[in-house]
Parts: sequence; structure tokens; C-alpha cells
Amino acid sequence: KAGVTQTPRYLIKTRGQQVTLSCSPISGHRSVSWYQQTPGQGLQFLFEYFSETQRNKGNFPGRFSGRQFSNSRSEMNVSTLELGDSALYLCASSLASGDYGYTFGSGTRLTVV
Amino acid sequence: QKEVEQNSGPLSVPEGAIASLNCTYSDRGSQSFFWYRQYSGKSPELIMSIYSNGDKEDGRFTAQLNKASQYVSLLIRDSQPSDSATYLCAALAGYSTLTFGKGTMLLVSP
Repeated sequence: KAGVTQTPRYLIKTRGQQVTLSCSPISGHRSVSWYQQTPGQGLQFLFEYFSETQRNKGNFPGRFSGRQFSNSRSEMNVSTLELGDSALYLCASSLASGDYGYTFGSGTRLTVV
Repeated sequence: QKEVEQNSGPLSVPEGAIASLNCTYSDRGSQSFFWYRQYSGKSPELIMSIYSNGDKEDGRFTAQLNKASQYVSLLIRDSQPSDSATYLCAALAGYSTLTFGKGTMLLVSP
């Protein structure tokens, strides 16, 4: 079965712009989480959605937001991009909770110039 | 602040040896623990999960958990060059938030 699909794979944006990243979870998975990965900070939790509701949120500024649709697909948005937002953004899905671990997508590499 | 700590490495072992990777966690409420493998330029891949004290074996991999010491480890037997990657330890906080360590780089030399 198809894995977690993230689009686009690569993005280059200018400071001050906004960006939207997309994630399609594994079929049947209803929990979608987003993580930011940088060399210095490692993997950091952004937020998690289940049945279109944000259940958990990490310690990121309000410029980072997300949503989940009725088909479990999810998007995350970053407004007013800063150079420090350059990172690999990873989406992960699971059936309902993280008890059995999450399956990650290939990620979106965002570069802010 | 819930934290997961790992030695960044690199941990270098010869082919065929046992690689031992360790992590500690701060949140005593964590009940589920995971090991992910991440090759350079790729996304993390789940290789082991462990939920109760003791050992759990899957092929060449053995995960060990000691909740009293807040310690999780991963043993890789008969290490292969293809095992060279960064290994990430993660603890589940609540029911849906994974807290990751920064990873240990493993290098297996032929």
C-alpha cells in the first residue's frame, strides 16, 4: 500500500513569503503529525491532527499552522518566512495514536533565502 | 521539558561486531519507545518499538528498556555496512507526541 506522500519535495522561498506543504497519510491512518528537522535541533514536534482536530501542538510560533481535511490529508502553513525556517519538514501518520509508532513521509526540504 | 538524550557519536564498529546504542529519557510518564533509522538524505524509518521492561528481539535487532533507570538501548548484532546510518531514539509523550533524541551516527566498516 502507498506510504505517506509529501509534496513538494523541495521548495525555495524568499524571506517574508508564506508556504504551504501537503501530506497524504497512509490509507486508513487518521492521525497526522508534523516535525521540523534541522542539523542543530534534530527532530522537533510541530503539531498533530486527528479527525480534523489539532490534538497537540509543539513549541513553535504562531506563524506555523496546520489543518487536516475530512479525508485525513493535512497541510501545514508557515507565514512570514525567516531564514531559520530552512529545514526538512516531515509528516508522519498512524492509525489513531502513536502507540505503534509513526510512519514518516519523504519530507519537504524548505530553503529560505 | 521532556527530553531524550543520545550520544551523537559517531560510533564506529567493524563489520560483524555488535553495535550498542543508548538513550535516556526524562519523562517518567512515557510508556512507549521507538528506534528509528535514518539514512543520509532520507526520512526516519521505524525499526523497533518497546513498551515493557526487558528485551525485545527482531532479527538482528534487540531493544532493551529499563523504566526505573529511564534507559533504552538498541543492540545490532552482526553489524553490516548497510547499517551505517543515524539511529534516533523516541519516547511517546501522551498518546501522540514523539520526543526524539538528536540521534547517534553509526559507522560500520567492512
